[in-house]
Amino acid sequence: GAGVSQSPSNKVTEKGKDVELRCDPISGHTALYWYRQSLGQGLEFLIYFQGNSAPDKSGLPSDRFSAERTGGSVSTLTIQRTQQEDSAVYLCASSPPGLSTDTQYFGPGTRLTVL
Amino acid sequence: GQSLEQPSEVTAVEGAIVQINCTYQTSGFYGLSWYQQHDGGAPTFLSYNGLDGLEETGRFSSFLSRSDSYGYLLLQELQMKDSASYFCAVKGGYSTLTFGKGTMLLVSP
Repeated sequence: GAGVSQSPSNKVTEKGKDVELRCDPISGHTALYWYRQSLGQGLEFLIYFQGNSAPDKSGLPSDRFSAERTGGSVSTLTIQRTQQEDSAVYLCASSPPGLSTDTQYFGPGTRLTVL
Repeated sequence: GQSLEQPSEVTAVEGAIVQINCTYQTSGFYGLSWYQQHDGGAPTFLSYNGLDGLEETGRFSSFLSRSDSYGYLLLQELQMKDSASYFCAVKGGYSTLTFGKGTMLLVSP
C-alpha cells in the first residue's frame, strides 16, 4: 500500500516568509510525528499527534512553529517568519495503533532552505 | 530528559561483522529501537528491544541490557548496500522516540 507522503519535497523560501509543510500518513495510522533533521545530524522530535490531538508538542523550538492534524489524517506543519536556522529536512512519520514495537514509518521528507 | 550516545562513524569491509553501540540516559524507558537511513533517504525501522536480550532479524541483530542502559546493533556478512547511517532511539512517554545523532557505517570492498 501507499507509504507516508510529504509535500513539497523541496521548498526554498526567503527569510521572514511563512511556509506550510504537509504530511499524509499511512491510512489507519493513528499516531503521527514530526521531526527535523539538520545536515549530518540526528532526528529532532518536534510534535506528536494521537488522532487530532497533540499530547506532546514539547519539541517545537519556538512559537513560530505550529502544527495541526485534521480528520485523524493529514497534518500540516507551519513555520512563520522563517529564519535561516530553520533550514533542515522536515520528516513526518506515522504508526498504527497497538503496535508493541512502536515502529514508525517515515515519509521522504521536505527539504526546507531559507535564504 | 533523554540522551543517547553512539559512535559517529564506523568502517568495515564487505563480509565482516560490525557492532554499533548505544548508551542512553532517560527519565523513562520503554524500549530501544534501531533505524537505518541511506543518504538522502527516509529512516527505516530495523529492530526493537523491549526486554533484555538479543533479537535477530536476518543479518541484523540487536541487544539490550536495561541494567547497563546499553544496547547494540550487530550487522553480519556486511554488504556494500549496508553503507548508511544507523540511529538508536529510545521510547519515552507518549510513544515518542528520542534519537541518537547516528552512526555512519562505511563498508568498503
